[in-house]
Amino acid sequence: AQTVTQSQPEMSVQEAETVTLSCTYDTSESNYYLFWYKQPPSRQMILVIRQEAYKQQNATENRFSVNFQKAAKSFSLKISDSQLGDTAMYFCAFSSNFGNEKLTFGTGTRLTIIP
Amino acid sequence: EPEVTQTPSHQVTQMGQEVILRCVPISNHLYFYWYRQILGQKVEFLVSFYNNEISEKSEIFDDQFSVERPDGSNFTLKIRSTKLEDSAMYFCASSEGSGAGKNIQYFGAGTRLSVL
Repeated sequence: AQTVTQSQPEMSVQEAETVTLSCTYDTSESNYYLFWYKQPPSRQMILVIRQEAYKQQNATENRFSVNFQKAAKSFSLKISDSQLGDTAMYFCAFSSNFGNEKLTFGTGTRLTIIP
Repeated sequence: EPEVTQTPSHQVTQMGQEVILRCVPISNHLYFYWYRQILGQKVEFLVSFYNNEISEKSEIFDDQFSVERPDGSNFTLKIRSTKLEDSAMYFCASSEGSGAGKNIQYFGAGTRLSVL
């Protein structure tokens, strides 16, 4: 079974600074997908970014980028020029390439952007 | 932009009562999911549904739970006899398909279930 670990329960950073959230996972599969979801106080889950394991290039979406280290099974999220609206809970998630592709989530990191 | 819609946003029920949580997935999506998030904890997979049948369920999804797609647009989660520990946020999600580009799961805003 796959597991996802987020070792930083809480983080805070000043507005406009850069912050990196850590995620490690464990799987025996060679092809899979990784995601970062954001959950603001409204509690809706919003996709931030995704990475396909067979792609070596790290995914980027505007201010959000990932550092995907397949051998180390590490998938960190970097937020550049952080904004107050980035304050949220961030969940790392894993999805197999087989079957129904359910998401396995980490325990989350609560990120607070300080004005 | 298409979105997943969940109703109600908040459901309060007495222990032992049946509840039905409703979801309208994105119209061209084929895979449907229910997840649960107990307050302060991580999001947990409950069940996936494809081609009008359950494709996988977790150990949480016991005989008290059932899912249905009654009319081709709605996707429901029924809890037959609610327990206090069923109190949680329930999220519905849907995806277009499997594989790269199609397996992104879009979530609804959730239904907060409070069992008294």
